[in-house]
Amino acid sequence: QQQVRQSPQSLTVWEGETAILNCSYEDSTFNYFPWYQQFPGEGPALLISIRSVSDKKEDGRFTIFFNKREKKLSLHITDSQPGDSATYFCAASDPGYNKLTFGKGTVLLVSP
Amino acid sequence: EAAVTQSPRNKVAVTGGKVTLSCNQTNNHNNMYWYRQDTGHGLRLIHYSYGAGSTEKGDIPDGYKASRPSQENFSLILELATPSQTSVYFCASGEDWGDTQYFGPGTRLLVL
Repeated sequence: QQQVRQSPQSLTVWEGETAILNCSYEDSTFNYFPWYQQFPGEGPALLISIRSVSDKKEDGRFTIFFNKREKKLSLHITDSQPGDSATYFCAASDPGYNKLTFGKGTVLLVSP
Repeated sequence: EAAVTQSPRNKVAVTGGKVTLSCNQTNNHNNMYWYRQDTGHGLRLIHYSYGAGSTEKGDIPDGYKASRPSQENFSLILELATPSQTSVYFCASGEDWGDTQYFGPGTRLLVL
């Protein structure tokens, strides 16, 4: 059973455009949602995260929008740059458990 | 900055052979994790640990054992390697309560 789903599987945008990556989850006890960025040949690295008490988290060009009622969140990357080309993973955890459940990832390509 | 290292970085093994993947962290984190990453599956948790001497089963533990002899070291052991275990394996360490996890660079394992 896949508890965290991501869409699309892959996305191509032009440099300067806004990329929107989607994530949804099933377990209503999830309360922490990090997004990880992974470049080829490297391990994933935390990009930005949000807790369920908030509906928006912004860090530079990266913004998470969170809808608790619909169990959905999205990552917006504004003014996309070729260096943003990577795989992005949405993950979730619930209180009391020291582990994350990851989605399958979205491969983002930013064309110059 | 968080530091997680893995060895070896690449490994070729034969079916039925024993494989040990090693992970070392200098973050003094209590929690450590082993994931495998396969195309179409994202990151899947194999085993994790809350501290020296403890190991817990993750979502796909079959065919794998884990060992946590110290705070710094966490090993993944394939007693009888199979071709289906060909994958990229990532180790991570994390703070308590499942928040940020810091990943190593990965080990690419090929089982022939």
